[in-house]
Amino acid sequence: SQTIHQWPATLVQPVGSPLSLECTVEGTSNPNLYWYRQAAGRGLQLLFYSVGIGQISSEVPQNLSASRPQDRQFILSSKKLLLSDSGFYLCAWSGGQNQPQHFGDGTRLSIL
Amino acid sequence: AQTVTQSQPEMSVQEAETVTLSCTYDTSESDYYLFWYKQPPSRQMILVIRQEAYKQQNATENRFSVNFQKAAKSFSLKISDSQLGDAAMYFCAYRSAVKNYQLIWGAGTKLIIKP
Repeated sequence: SQTIHQWPATLVQPVGSPLSLECTVEGTSNPNLYWYRQAAGRGLQLLFYSVGIGQISSEVPQNLSASRPQDRQFILSSKKLLLSDSGFYLCAWSGGQNQPQHFGDGTRLSIL
Repeated sequence: AQTVTQSQPEMSVQEAETVTLSCTYDTSESDYYLFWYKQPPSRQMILVIRQEAYKQQNATENRFSVNFQKAAKSFSLKISDSQLGDAAMYFCAYRSAVKNYQLIWGAGTKLIIKP
């Protein structure tokens, strides 16, 4: 069966520091991959999605970037974190065009 | 652009009773998918049920069922025999069959189960 791993679960970083959140999927090949951010008590905002290695699409301009160095690895990064980057970040995958998205456990990012 | 509206910020139900969560959406597309996701306090986002717009039959998953009214653009979730473990935020989401990478999310409904 397919599984998705996202880490770390929580992260506290100072303003201006770099960021790297990692997400990996097991048990499937060539998944669609997604990074979301969730504000408190709100639905999810799509940040990036990827349909293949090296293929990244951004939905909103921001201080963050994403990369997909391997088929089942999706990384969310920042060179310099801002206070406004605080939030709950979720990685997700889907198996194809008509398949639902399945989510990781999320990362709670706090910027000090 | 498509939008999803959940008009109930919070709902409560007695354990073992039935509760219905509302969701409406706006789209000009004819082919799309609708989902209900559950997010318990652990924050994991869990797929509860999905509905294909081309299917007239309402989706059912054990105690969870939907009332899909395509003309009214309504997609409500019914939870029967509510259990304490059902307590969570419930999100309704829309996905276009064309722009199929993107989920459009409602603001969520917090479901409280009273023992």
